[in-house]
Amino acid sequence: AQKITQTQPGMFVQEKEAVTLDCTYDTSDPSYGLFWYKQPSSGEMIFLIYQGSYDQQNATEGRYSLNFQKARKSANLVISASQLGDSAMYFCLGGQGAQKLVFGQGTRLTINP
Amino acid sequence: DGGITQSPKYLFRKEGQNVTLSCEQNLNHDAMYWYRQDPGQGLRLIYYSQIVNDFQKGDIAEGYSVSREKKESFPLTVTSAQKNPTAFYLCASSMSGRSKAGANVLTFGAGSRLTVL
Repeated sequence: AQKITQTQPGMFVQEKEAVTLDCTYDTSDPSYGLFWYKQPSSGEMIFLIYQGSYDQQNATEGRYSLNFQKARKSANLVISASQLGDSAMYFCLGGQGAQKLVFGQGTRLTINP
Repeated sequence: DGGITQSPKYLFRKEGQNVTLSCEQNLNHDAMYWYRQDPGQGLRLIYYSQIVNDFQKGDIAEGYSVSREKKESFPLTVTSAQKNPTAFYLCASSMSGRSKAGANVLTFGAGSRLTVL
């Protein structure tokens, strides 16, 4: 069965610094997708970035990049030049097919001015 | 703008009452989902629907019911059989739920917070 592990319950970072949020996954499926979502205090889940298991290059979307290391089964999110508005909960998701996505427990990121 | 609308945003229920949470999307997505989120935790899948008039149980379907009579709408009823219904409920949709590569991005609504008094 798919399992997603986020080992950092909370992270505190100074504004403008880069931050890496950890995510490891465990699956026996040869084809799967990995996603990162941001959940601000308002509650809405905002899609950030996606990585497919067969993608050759690491995904990037603006200030977000995904450090995908298949051999280590990790899919860490890197946020460059953090901003105060980046303070939120961040969830890593993984699975094969949208109805089989599994959520990690989340990491609460706080950006300090 | 396309998106997902959930209502109500806040709902209070007395024990023993059924309540229905609304979810409407204008994204022309085939698949829709209901998730439950408890404080400090990730989301758990309650029900999903890949096509009109068809839906499947997720991981925690007991005490909940859904319908999918229209492509745009996927209401969730929290019944009196749900022992601990106080939670944050999120509705989502994706273009299709059938992609094996998991490439279907979920689009979420703003959520409904249910409190049982």
